[in-house]
Amino acid sequence: KQEVTQIPAALSVPEGENLVLNCSFTDSAIYNLQWFRQDPGKGLTSLLLIQSSQREQTSGRLNASLDKSSGRSTLYIAASQPGDSATYLCAVRRPYTGNQFYFGTGTSLTVIP
Amino acid sequence: DGGITQSPKYLFRKEGQNVTLSCEQNLNHDAMYWYRQDPGQGLRLIYYSQIVNDFQKGDIAEGYSVSREKKESFPLTVTSAQKNPTAFYLCASSGGISYEQYFGPGTRLTVT
Repeated sequence: KQEVTQIPAALSVPEGENLVLNCSFTDSAIYNLQWFRQDPGKGLTSLLLIQSSQREQTSGRLNASLDKSSGRSTLYIAASQPGDSATYLCAVRRPYTGNQFYFGTGTSLTVIP
Repeated sequence: DGGITQSPKYLFRKEGQNVTLSCEQNLNHDAMYWYRQDPGQGLRLIYYSQIVNDFQKGDIAEGYSVSREKKESFPLTVTSAQKNPTAFYLCASSGGISYEQYFGPGTRLTVT
């Protein structure tokens, strides 16, 4: 079964710092990997999706990379802001699973003004 | 606006009662999902449906039931057989070329 891990579970950084969130998965046979943001008590918001054939995707201050062979993805946030404080989750979609998504437990990010 | 709606936002029930959570999407997605989220835990898949009139059990289907009679709708019923139903419930859909997944705002269910 696909296992998805996100370390660390929590992270605090001062405003303006660049930071990297990590996601690792045990089975490299994936269709794609998606990064989400979740604010307290809210649903998940899709940030970036990387197809298995891609190496990275960018949206504004966010850059996500994918290394399928090592089972890793990183989410890079440039010039962090207090508004970036949230929980960030990654999920992979695997073949032969009926299009199920496998989620990590998330990294809770706090950006200190 | 395209998106997923869940209602109600908060739901309170007495133990022993069945309750149905609503999920509607206007994204024209084929697949829909129900997840449960508990504090300090990741998302756990309850049921998913890849097409109308078809659905499959996820990892924690016991005590839950679903139907998929219309493409736009995927209601979840939490039955009295669910041992610990108090949780945050999230509905999602996916489709299109990339099969990107989108989520609704969630329903917080409290059973006392």
